[in-house]
Amino acid sequence: AQTVTQSQPEMSVQEAETVTLSCTYDTSESDYYLFWYKQPPSRQMILVIRQEAYKQQNATENRFSVNFQKAAKSFSLKISDSQLGDAAMYFCAYRVLPRSTLGRLYFGRGTQLTVWP
Amino acid sequence: DTGVSQDPRHKITKRGQNVTFRCDPISEHNRLYWYRQTLGQGPEFLTYFQNEAQLEKSRLLSDRFSAERPKGSFSTLEIQRTEQGDSAMYLCASSSSEIREQFFGPGTRLTVL
Repeated sequence: AQTVTQSQPEMSVQEAETVTLSCTYDTSESDYYLFWYKQPPSRQMILVIRQEAYKQQNATENRFSVNFQKAAKSFSLKISDSQLGDAAMYFCAYRVLPRSTLGRLYFGRGTQLTVWP
Repeated sequence: DTGVSQDPRHKITKRGQNVTFRCDPISEHNRLYWYRQTLGQGPEFLTYFQNEAQLEKSRLLSDRFSAERPKGSFSTLEIQRTEQGDSAMYLCASSSSEIREQFFGPGTRLTVL
């Protein structure tokens, strides 16, 4: 079974500080992609960052970076210099590459991030 | 490029009624996905289209659910004889290939009374 676990239902951070959101996943596949999506209140989900499992180097996108530990099946998101606009629900997701799954995404239950001024 | 759009944004219906949602993907995207998101959960896969062909359906998609993408452009998701358990956000996403990013629409929030 393909599962994604986000153990932190809620997190909070002070503006300009750093916060790390946790994610673990379970798969027997070796080739897959990992994603963090952001869903602001009443707005559509947007991609924050992606990581290819075959790449050892951790992905970074401006203030967002990941810590990808393939052996541990862990994929955490670090947000540096947090801004008020970062407040949202964050979903960890992954997609396996074998064609039988046709690209569907498997999501965790999300972490609600609050940013305090 | 106006992104993925969904209509309506909100739908309130009485139990037993039929409802239909529409999704317009990004124009050059030939892959279209439907997901359902209930309160406190992440989105769950419902079905997938490549062009006009429906290639995969989740077991979540009961016989009361049907989806179409007649010309390989927009898609509709119909729920017949709605039940209270169908209350959820229905999300549509599109992409240009299996390995590329999926772009999500704003969703249709369904409330079944």
